[in-house]
Amino acid sequence: DIQMTQSPSTLSASAGDRVTITCRASQSINEWMAWYQQKPGKAPKVLIYESSRLANGVPSRFSGSGFGTEFTLTISGLQPDDFATYYCQHYNTHFGQGTRVEIK
Amino acid sequence: DVQLVESGGGLVQPGGSLRLSCEASGFTLSDYWMSWVRQAPGKGMEWVASIKYDGSQMFYVESVKGRFTISRDNAKNSLSLQMNSLRADDTAVYYCARDHLWGQGILVTVSS
Repeated sequence: DIQMTQSPSTLSASAGDRVTITCRASQSINEWMAWYQQKPGKAPKVLIYESSRLANGVPSRFSGSGFGTEFTLTISGLQPDDFATYYCQHYNTHFGQGTRVEIK
Repeated sequence: DVQLVESGGGLVQPGGSLRLSCEASGFTLSDYWMSWVRQAPGKGMEWVASIKYDGSQMFYVESVKGRFTISRDNAKNSLSLQMNSLRADDTAVYYCARDHLWGQGILVTVSS
């Protein structure tokens, strides 16, 4: 059973900051990683799939990288609309614990 | 376009059963693993179950093993989740998923 460890659980940042969220798999998952954003009361929205591919309509300030066991989601130039909770997921199995990005 | 449409949710008493269905379109179902994920009120996302392309392998999160059964009918482009012995902590929005693509979700409420 492959487990996903996401960090940090909470991240305080200011608009304009560059932020990075990390997800570590307990064994290699190649590039089969997705990242989601969720705002209160809304369903999660996919941002990144296959580790680094930007989903349709997602701003280019979001990027993903990684292969195997280490993955990162980077937001370059945090916007007010980006304060939300972010989840990683290995396709068809476990999610990370989530990272809440809050205003510093 | 890929579409996943869930149905079958609702209110059920503790100990009861419910069957969720997911109608898939816009792709060949037999080419993909499929899964169910859920989110309980105020909680994080949780993967529930997955099934291999041909239905030959299924995997479940520990908390639903022995109570939930995932199945698929590739000829009918459908995925199902049979949920038995439901508990209050199964209350959640359930999503049908193909890799990173999800349906709109359906609410299951377990309450007396």
